Amino acid sequence: GAGVSQSPSNKVTEKGKDVELRCDPISGHTALYWYRQSLGQGLEFLIYFQGNSAPDKSGLPSDRFSAERTGGSVSTLTIQRTQQEDSAVYLCASSLSFGASGANVLTFGAGSRLTVL
Amino acid sequence: KQEVTQIPAALSVPEGENLVLNCSFTDSAIYNLQWFRQDPGKGLTSLLLIQSSQREQTSGRLNASLDKSSGRSTLYIAASQPGDSATYLCAVQDSNYQLIWGAGTKLIIKP
Repeated sequence: GAGVSQSPSNKVTEKGKDVELRCDPISGHTALYWYRQSLGQGLEFLIYFQGNSAPDKSGLPSDRFSAERTGGSVSTLTIQRTQQEDSAVYLCASSLSFGASGANVLTFGAGSRLTVL
Repeated sequence: KQEVTQIPAALSVPEGENLVLNCSFTDSAIYNLQWFRQDPGKGLTSLLLIQSSQREQTSGRLNASLDKSSGRSTLYIAASQPGDSATYLCAVQDSNYQLIWGAGTKLIIKP
């Protein structure tokens, strides 16, 4: 697609429920990133994919968080048994490749705002 | 551990003024530094990327400089306009290719 699409744009859920957030990157972008942005904070890295592989999962806050990417395209971030501290905007970005080059310029989606009551 | 700091956290200036936003980082071993803007309810938009071997990059009214040895970057905005109002974020790409982010500077341009 023309840009990075994220859905849902807004999600309100009750504590303890599971949620799935979806990211559809720009066609042809091999690298995909998930970040979390809490109110008034900088971006917190969660995970990145190079193709379908996630070499670095160290940013995931707990084992309640998981992510997958299939077909080198769409990615899903799943949060199980949500807690109030999970409330944040979850941002997805993609880039042509991963590494230290101009091809690493990220294009961001509009984000998914998660509110856990 | 790489840390990125942006000062000030918020800035309000009259339209037409030139202004400078600051970004500092603790580890000079970076591949590049990027400046983004974030508008409310929207994602981030990449403004400028400076490779570690470069000193500055320009795009229109924006000029970003990089002094890797001192761990500093500045984003200069000339002749500010109300449409420049946004939060500006800087991020450095570290030796693990990860982007480390500052908390941002919220800029308000008053008409």
